[in-house]
Amino acid sequence: GAVVSQHPSWVICKSGTSVKIECRSLDFQATTMFWYRQFPKQSLMLMATSNEGSKATYEQGVEKDKFLINHASLTLSTLTVTSAHPEDSSFYICSARAELDWSGELFFGEGSRLTVL
Amino acid sequence: QQQVKQSPQSLIVQKGGISIINCAYENTAFDYFPWYQQFPGKGPALLIAIRPDVSEKKEGRFTISFNKSAKQFSLHIMDSQPGDSATYFCAASIETGANSKLTFGKGITLSVRP
Repeated sequence: GAVVSQHPSWVICKSGTSVKIECRSLDFQATTMFWYRQFPKQSLMLMATSNEGSKATYEQGVEKDKFLINHASLTLSTLTVTSAHPEDSSFYICSARAELDWSGELFFGEGSRLTVL
Repeated sequence: QQQVKQSPQSLIVQKGGISIINCAYENTAFDYFPWYQQFPGKGPALLIAIRPDVSEKKEGRFTISFNKSAKQFSLHIMDSQPGDSATYFCAASIETGANSKLTFGKGITLSVRP
């Protein structure tokens, strides 16, 4: 299947700093990418839908100024956690669907674990 | 309101047995029902998916059974193996285009004992 790569796979940062996570579709183009966060032993919570060349659409309750999403190309979306705090520590996962493929299959990245000290 | 509900919350099965995980949904507009498998520290991976025009789909040891009138679908894992021990999520979406979003169940932890 198609490959979605995330980087970094894990990151530790100090409270108050910003962290950028990249999501790349390696062998297909993705007009749309999705960002999720997952707490231990919980389900995936959709944070936002990232659209190439336009503003992301955020889910209710997700602070757009805190979680900055940029989808600058058809193969790259980035999530920046600004002024991170310990409560932002979580597993962040992106997913992408191949452009023009409305078959439904979403390909997920391996996730990025953020720990804020 | 939880639109996709999974049961049981956890499951322990002996090697070689059948694992059965159930999922119920609320929104009758859903028309795509995938199951995802997730290992610790990894992203979810699509196992198998079904659309409402069929009642059953089988891929290897994995089978989805779909009951449209009951708004339920289930995952059956035949000949369960210790390597199947993972968290399983059912999901549902309305397939209106590339932006269609998946709604996930809470997930269940499957442990297959050797």
